[in-house]
Amino acid sequence: NAGVTQTPKFQVLKTGQSMTLQCAQDMNHEYMSWYRQDPGMGLRLIHYSVGAGITDQGEVPNGYNVSRSTTEDFPLRLLSAAPSQTSVYFCASRPGRMNTEAFFGQGTRLTVV
Amino acid sequence: AQTVTQSQPEMSVQEAETVTLSCTYDTSESDYYLFWYKQPPSRQMILVIRQEAYKQQNATENRFSVNFQKAAKSFSLKISDSQLGDAAMYFCAYRSAWLQNTPLVFGKGTRLSVIA
Repeated sequence: NAGVTQTPKFQVLKTGQSMTLQCAQDMNHEYMSWYRQDPGMGLRLIHYSVGAGITDQGEVPNGYNVSRSTTEDFPLRLLSAAPSQTSVYFCASRPGRMNTEAFFGQGTRLTVV
Repeated sequence: AQTVTQSQPEMSVQEAETVTLSCTYDTSESDYYLFWYKQPPSRQMILVIRQEAYKQQNATENRFSVNFQKAAKSFSLKISDSQLGDAAMYFCAYRSAWLQNTPLVFGKGTRLSVIA
């Protein structure tokens, strides 16, 4: 059981480049989300999805795009990378039931130069 | 919107001693879930303990326990017999129970150091 898998683990981008952070889960979880973690800021929600074909914005969605074409995958797209997007990104998933913990991927450290 | 506040950016504890990490939250809801997550240097987010607001009994998991004060909107984490492996960032998190698909709201974290 792989859980939540994020790729890549590290990435360096140049300003203006685009890329996709991959997230896949093999637990048939309905709910998936993306967070960014910055020093002294905790984890802030970027986008989330409650099921295939359904996505919504979180606290800090600007500059990011998501889609959910399957239950398993929830990619995060950076449209035109900016230095302010330098961060550690976490993908999380959980079942749709209320009293359940969220399972996190191991994170992607992204640096935009 | 709900907010979670961790007022201690850093804490330290001697090995084998007890330490308490503070967390307060702001909500107008009566039913919700509270969590403590641990993030060691490996970056992995690990659930430490969970509390349902409708339960008056404080949750306990081995050396980890919480002091849940619903009226005060306080949810502190007590680590007993601290071990070197407890050194990590600890995040307090809140989730509403009213809507099924609400995300976790995190505090800014407390970095815990354990001194040998």
